[in-house]
Amino acid sequence: KQEVTQIPAALSVPEGENLVLNCSFTDSAIYNLQWFRQDPGKGLTSLLLIQSSQREQTSGRLNASLDKSSGRSTLYIAASQPGDSATYLCAVAGGTSYGKLTFGQGTILTVHP
Amino acid sequence: NAGVTQTPKFRVLKTGQSMTLLCAQDMNHEYMYWYRQDPGMGLRLIHYSVGEGTTAKGEVPDGYNVSRLKKQNFLLGLESAAPSQTSVYFCASRSGGLYYEQYFGPGTRLTVT
Repeated sequence: KQEVTQIPAALSVPEGENLVLNCSFTDSAIYNLQWFRQDPGKGLTSLLLIQSSQREQTSGRLNASLDKSSGRSTLYIAASQPGDSATYLCAVAGGTSYGKLTFGQGTILTVHP
Repeated sequence: NAGVTQTPKFRVLKTGQSMTLLCAQDMNHEYMYWYRQDPGMGLRLIHYSVGEGTTAKGEVPDGYNVSRLKKQNFLLGLESAAPSQTSVYFCASRSGGLYYEQYFGPGTRLTVT
């Protein structure tokens, strides 16, 4: 059974710092990995999707990498801002082609001015 | 383009009552999913559908039923609500194939007393 772990569980940084969120998964037979952002009381917003054949994806200040063989992904946030404060969730799709996601518990990020 | 919408946003039920949660998407997606999110448990898949008229069980299907009579709608039913079903319910959808993102709705917060 796929298990997804995110470290750290919570992170507090001053504005302007570059930071890295970590995600690990136990079964490397995945089709893709997706990073989401969730604001309190809200739904999930997709940030980046990395296909299993890709090594990284970039969107603005966000860069996500994938090392499928070692079961790891990182989300790099450059020049963090208070508006980046949210919970970041990592999810993997694998096992079948139906895209069912297995989620990590998330990293709660606080960026203070 | 509204994306994924969910009805209702909030609901309080008494133990034993029944209700139906409605998910609608206007992106012509083939696949639709129902997840529940609980503190300390993360998001877990309840049921999913890979096309109109099809449904399948996810990780935590007990106590729930689903139907997909129209491609754009996916209904989640609770026949006899229990306090253990107190949760936030999220619907998601995506295109068919291996490498597409899942898009999530805003969620339904359900309390069973």
